[in-house]
Amino acid sequence: SQKIEQNSEALNIQEGKTATLTCNYTNYSPAYLQWYRQDPGRGPVFLLLIRENEKEKRKERLKVTFDTTLKQSLFHITASQPADSATYLCALAVNSGYSTLTFGKGTMLLVSP
Amino acid sequence: GAVVSQHPSRVICKSGTSVKIECRSLDFQATTMFWYRQFPKKSLMLMATSNEGSKATYEQGVEKDKFLINHASLTLSTLTVTSAHPEDSSFYICSATKGGTEAFFGQGTRLTVV
Repeated sequence: SQKIEQNSEALNIQEGKTATLTCNYTNYSPAYLQWYRQDPGRGPVFLLLIRENEKEKRKERLKVTFDTTLKQSLFHITASQPADSATYLCALAVNSGYSTLTFGKGTMLLVSP
Repeated sequence: GAVVSQHPSRVICKSGTSVKIECRSLDFQATTMFWYRQFPKKSLMLMATSNEGSKATYEQGVEKDKFLINHASLTLSTLTVTSAHPEDSSFYICSATKGGTEAFFGQGTRLTVV
């Protein structure tokens, strides 16, 4: 069966450190993968998209890697800040253009001052 | 930017009544809108996909007569939860696309059925 797995336990790190979140998938061949941030009681906010033929994408303090052999994406936040505390969701799309998204459960990140 | 507004943000209703949730794209025309449901500490579950002027496509296991979707224009989609029951209590979120890969989400609606 198809699965998208993200660490269910919260990730606690200290301010200034790099946070690394994992998204693993099975029985999918995604055309692209997206990462979203979700704050409590709010809708998700788009952060980054990485396509199947890309290894790495960066945006300011964010970096995403995509390994289609390992079927894994890593999401990094460098120089983390308490304001980065939120739940981070990965989502897969199987079509290269517009496509419905399938979401993981998300990983909660807590950055302590 | 692209803004999607969802209304109401919270609603409490009595069991057996119907509730309508609106999703509007404020500054763009949305070719497609999506409705999701999210339980605490769970992932967003896609309920249905709607395109303006046509019937919504429901995901397996979602009752179309229970969750009525109307996509009347390129900027408005509504979800009506009919004859609501306590098990329908959840967080409902809509999203919209311009036809590309990025999805823009509303702020969500917390529905509580008592």
